[in-house]
Amino acid sequence: KNEVEQSPQNLTAQEGEFITINCSYSVGISALHWLQQHPGGGIVSLFMLSSGKKKHGRLIATINIQEKHSSLHITASHPRDSAVYICAVSLNRDDKIIFGKGTRLHILP
Amino acid sequence: GAGVSQSPRYKVTKRGQDVALRCDPISGHVSLYWYRQALGQGPEFLTYFNYEAQQDKSGLPNDRFSAERPEGSISTLTIQRTEQRDSAMYRCASSPQGNYGYTFGSGTRLTVV
Repeated sequence: KNEVEQSPQNLTAQEGEFITINCSYSVGISALHWLQQHPGGGIVSLFMLSSGKKKHGRLIATINIQEKHSSLHITASHPRDSAVYICAVSLNRDDKIIFGKGTRLHILP
Repeated sequence: GAGVSQSPRYKVTKRGQDVALRCDPISGHVSLYWYRQALGQGPEFLTYFNYEAQQDKSGLPNDRFSAERPEGSISTLTIQRTEQRDSAMYRCASSPQGNYGYTFGSGTRLTVV
């Protein structure tokens, strides 16, 4: 069993829809990261969370430490949001990063 | 520099050759991470450094892989006696310290033929 699980693996939605991507983890973490990887391959760090909720534009990330679960939400989705979204955690005991396998999001115009 | 720089961008090598991949992190960033990503897969952690000290190398697949960061800045990932299964995108990231936000390099795409 992977220590970081994401769902869904693939998601196709219409432009304007509200998108939710989930991440569950089974290890003690000091922080959780949401990353975005575009088709060209570049990776951008979207959020780093250790508690609560963060918002940046149309993106919202939440984390529930007790339940070991995080969600990434996209409001009013747009085709340019199409990318792979990756959840990664920094372990409590050291700074090692464990990555989820990613969620491939495709927003149709 | 302004971002994390990796070189070369692309490397094609024959099976059995050694390759060295370079990562130049953001100036002053304490932590440097190496990971690799096979086509269509999520990233896979390889190793990381705080300053010049290698903190964790448990992600290195086998003893053909090694990494160093002798002066706490530029890092080199070396793969000896390359095999076709080593073909992947090798990425580097740096952060000011530990859990702070990461900045990723563009990666080196390694193809072993």
